Amino acid sequence: GAVVSQHPSWVICKSGTSVKIECRSLDFQATTMFWYRQFPKQSLMLMATSNEGSKATYEQGVEKDKFLINHASLTLSTLTVTSAHPEDSSFYICSASAVLGLYDTQYFGPGTRLTVL
Amino acid sequence: LAKTTQPISMDSYEGQEVNITCSHNNIATNDYITWYQQFPSQGPRFIIQGYKTKVTNEVASLFIPADRKSSTLSLPRVSLSDTAVYYCLVGDFLHTGANNLFFGTGTRLTVIP
Repeated sequence: GAVVSQHPSWVICKSGTSVKIECRSLDFQATTMFWYRQFPKQSLMLMATSNEGSKATYEQGVEKDKFLINHASLTLSTLTVTSAHPEDSSFYICSASAVLGLYDTQYFGPGTRLTVL
Repeated sequence: LAKTTQPISMDSYEGQEVNITCSHNNIATNDYITWYQQFPSQGPRFIIQGYKTKVTNEVASLFIPADRKSSTLSLPRVSLSDTAVYYCLVGDFLHTGANNLFFGTGTRLTVIP
């Protein structure tokens, strides 16, 4: 149980275009989903918290107009990188929160590698 | 904010037991501890989770002393496929939200043949 998928697994786009990344919880419902970014050899950095049916909460320094998050249902959250630039190239990982044992736990997707040319 | 401190890297030979310790001096009463494993270009994978004392599952054990200011992930008889980065995460996400979602540096474990 607790499987999270992401699509696409990798994407290459031209500078100035927008890219949408989907995050789905496959076998459970997730009220809360999280989006992270990870640069090579670095740790995960939380970008935003996404709650179903409400606006996302962005971490300090993350541009909400550039990284659009939509949490349309209890199993789907999307991250759209608008007007992407080479510095947005990174590994984007989502997680979905569930209480499947004693505690609330994050279960992570496989990640999406974004390369902006 | 219960930030965490871990060794940056560790090496171990195949077949040995590996213990990775995480310090979290500012852990709050409701916080619990979760360990993840991450391979290159993959999302973190849940390993084990606990609040106090000892927790064991099919892949690892988690030891938490009474003061809860640290925790130790124990991997029995590691193999080459255990080479990865291991993160400990401390928090009570359900009740305190994303304030505690801080991934530290992680520990890069290298298993040597």
